[in-house]
Amino acid sequence: AQSVTQPDIHITVSEGASLELRCNYSYGATPYLFWYVQSPGQGLQLLLKYFSGDTLVQGIKGFEAEFKRSQSSFNLRKPSVHWSDAAEYFCAVVTNTGTASKLTFGTGTRLQVTL
Amino acid sequence: DTEVTQTPKHLVMGMTNKKSLKCEQHMGHRAMYWYKQKAKKPPELMFVYSYEKLSINESVPSRFSPECPNSSLLNLHLHALQPEDSALYLCASSQVTGYVNQPQHFGDGTRLSIL
Repeated sequence: AQSVTQPDIHITVSEGASLELRCNYSYGATPYLFWYVQSPGQGLQLLLKYFSGDTLVQGIKGFEAEFKRSQSSFNLRKPSVHWSDAAEYFCAVVTNTGTASKLTFGTGTRLQVTL
Repeated sequence: DTEVTQTPKHLVMGMTNKKSLKCEQHMGHRAMYWYKQKAKKPPELMFVYSYEKLSINESVPSRFSPECPNSSLLNLHLHALQPEDSALYLCASSQVTGYVNQPQHFGDGTRLSIL
């Protein structure tokens, strides 16, 4: 079965510092990967997606992610973090069911931003 | 603002009550989903509807009964719930095309508390 692993439960960075959140996937073929963000009391917002093609994908809010097949990774990056980026971040992989997509999430990484 | 609207935002109910959660989207998506999210955990898939037909039931107890009356609406009927069912219930929707890996769009959820 397809799965994703987020090794870091909690990360703290200073505002203005760079950020990298790790995600490792387990799948034999090319996976379809997503990063979502969840602010407290809210639903999940899609940051970016990778289906195929260019391995560096750009998302919203200044985030980007790089797909590295050799490392089975899809790490999320941001060059300069803002205090409003404090939230829970989920990496997810999709499984085709034939008529709909089924998302499997990693355990999440909680980002804390210090001023 | 999210494009998937869930009501109510909060719900408190006793174990013998019957209540319903409602989800609505007007993006023309033909796949809709229910997820359950416990505190500090990732969302877990419960049900998937595709073209108003139930396509996935992740072995959810029968005290949860989903319904998709039309392509824009998704309901989750609740009856005889247990305290461990207290959680955030998230609705999502996505396009269904020949290329099925379309991103899911999430609502802000209904926070359910069982007394």
